[in-house]
Amino acid sequence: GAVVSQHPSRVICKSGTSVKIECRSLDFQATTMFWYRQFPKKSLMLMATSNEGSKATYEQGVEKDKFLINHASLTLSTLTVTSAHPEDSSFYICSATRAGRSTDTQYFGPGTRLTVL
Amino acid sequence: GENVEQHPSTLSVQEGDSAVIKCTYSDSASNYFPWYKQELGKRPQLIIDIRSNVGEKKDQRIAVTLNKTAKHFSLHITETQPEDSAVYFCAASGSGYSTLTFGKGTMLLVSP
Repeated sequence: GAVVSQHPSRVICKSGTSVKIECRSLDFQATTMFWYRQFPKKSLMLMATSNEGSKATYEQGVEKDKFLINHASLTLSTLTVTSAHPEDSSFYICSATRAGRSTDTQYFGPGTRLTVL
Repeated sequence: GENVEQHPSTLSVQEGDSAVIKCTYSDSASNYFPWYKQELGKRPQLIIDIRSNVGEKKDQRIAVTLNKTAKHFSLHITETQPEDSAVYFCAASGSGYSTLTFGKGTMLLVSP
């Protein structure tokens, strides 16, 4: 159990367009989902935390109008990169924690490789 | 906020040797410490975790130790195999909210 999927796995887009990435918990309900960004050979940088039915909490330095997060259900969170630019190219990974559990264990999705031309 | 330091950044060992990766954290309120293994282009996979009420935990060839007083925890891998080669991340989480702060990662290379 505790499988998290992401879609798409790879996306290439033109500068100025918006890209939506989906994160789904397949076999459990996720009260909280997290969005990370990872640069090559670097660590995971937390961008924002989203709780089902409420506004996301963004980390310092992350533009909330640039990276729109929606957590409409207990199994789905979306990240939309608006007006993407080449510097937004990165590996975006989501994770989820189970609803109703005191554990802090985060289960990660497979990631989405975004390339902005 | 929490700050997690991880050492070494790279570690090369021969197959069969042991590998040790160390992390320190700054927030004494942190109480959950997972370790993740990430292969190139793949998702981080949880390999072991420990909570602050336990000093040591073992799972086959992998063990984690925690020293709350010194605020450091370590990952020990025994009898390393080439398939253990990956980047390993430690992380720390404070009470309540589940937010993880990650170390910068250790690239482990196990040579046959």
